[in-house]
Amino acid sequence: AQSVAQPEDQVNVAEGNPLTVKCTYSVSGNPYLFWYVQYPNRGLQFLLKYITGDNLVKGSYGFEAEFNKSQTSFHLKKPSALVSDSALYFCAVGSGTYKYIFGTGTRLKVLA
Amino acid sequence: DSGVTQTPKHLITATGQRVTLRCSPRSGDLSVYWYQQSLDQGLQFLIQYYNGEERAKGNILERFSAQQFPDLHSELNLSSLELGDSALYFCASSPPGPSYNEQFFGPGTRLTVL
Repeated sequence: AQSVAQPEDQVNVAEGNPLTVKCTYSVSGNPYLFWYVQYPNRGLQFLLKYITGDNLVKGSYGFEAEFNKSQTSFHLKKPSALVSDSALYFCAVGSGTYKYIFGTGTRLKVLA
Repeated sequence: DSGVTQTPKHLITATGQRVTLRCSPRSGDLSVYWYQQSLDQGLQFLIQYYNGEERAKGNILERFSAQQFPDLHSELNLSSLELGDSALYFCASSPPGPSYNEQFFGPGTRLTVL
């Protein structure tokens, strides 16, 4: 069975500092991994995905994520956080079956 | 704006009632997904349709049903509503081809069951 875990409910970071939002997964077969962001009163927006290839994936708004097969992780990163990055971030996993399991979300708060 | 539209934005109804939520996917997208987002359960995948056919089923209750019509819009029907069905219901769509797994979410329908 597929599962995904986001161990932190909230991450606080100062503006200009690097940020990391953690995600670990469990899936049979090759994972399809995604990050989405949700701003207040909005739907989720796609940020980036890993299907195959280079372990470092670059996405929208300067975000990137690193796929680590041995640690079954797919952490979201950004070198320099902006106040406008404050939002709810979801990691999701699929395995080609069209069912996508979303994590519980991590609230990112970037402090000015 | 993702291009996915959902109506209504808000819905308030009573226990035991039945409601229909509507979703129009982005132009050209053939897949439609339905999700339920509640505070205690997070974002739960309910069901997916591709070009009118059911493709995947998640944690969808028997009281809930969905369909995708020939014009590709989709409806989620919720019946015998319970207080616990109060949640945000999101629809998402994805295109055919290599980006089939990138989902574009609508703004959601907030359902309140009293």
